[in-house]
Amino acid sequence: EAQVTQNPRYLITVTGKKLTVTCSQNMNHEYMSWYRQDPGLGLRQIYYSMNVEVTDKGDVPEGYKVSRKEKRNFPLILESPSPNQTSLYFCASSRGGPSYNEQFFGPGTRLTVL
Amino acid sequence: AQSVTQLGSHVSVSEGALVLLRCNYSSSVPPYLFWYVQYPNQGLQLLLKYTTGATLVKGINGFEAEFKKSETSFHLTKPSAHMSDAAEYFCAAVLSGNTPLVFGKGTRLSVIA
Repeated sequence: EAQVTQNPRYLITVTGKKLTVTCSQNMNHEYMSWYRQDPGLGLRQIYYSMNVEVTDKGDVPEGYKVSRKEKRNFPLILESPSPNQTSLYFCASSRGGPSYNEQFFGPGTRLTVL
Repeated sequence: AQSVTQLGSHVSVSEGALVLLRCNYSSSVPPYLFWYVQYPNQGLQLLLKYTTGATLVKGINGFEAEFKKSETSFHLTKPSAHMSDAAEYFCAAVLSGNTPLVFGKGTRLSVIA
């Protein structure tokens, strides 16, 4: 089954404790991205990657890191989480860039930073 | 600034009534436009998209949207609402070149029996 998987689905952590949210897709997509969803703000892009070893900042990259060492994986790293990073996070992938192509979304990761 | 605006954060309709969710964009060039739906506790899935060609686009679950360049709009409609349509709907656009997808803030649709 074609899908985007994220782990963990739920995470409660404390300020400053490094964490990684994994994202993996099995569709051989070149393009992957991370979004955060906050009430009343919709989805905002954090980082995106056009292909392996190619990443770029989205609208809200501060406090986040990503890497794209393999085509299928695009982990999101919070080196020192803060309460304002409490949010619902979605990973997405598509064949090629976002202009023509449907984005396939993962199920989301709900993060709470205390 | 280039943006996507959804009018109405919450829309409520009766079962069987027309659904109209509004989306306007701000762009100096023709955009690529999308509507996504998010059911409770799930990720987003594509309803329909406009890239080029016919301006009336049909999607899944009986939804359609019309690209109106003169009005810079891409409103989503469905003739008859069903209880299963209750969800959050996001309009999104690639506003120029190969820039990232920009989302509106979303409209929550409630369907009343």
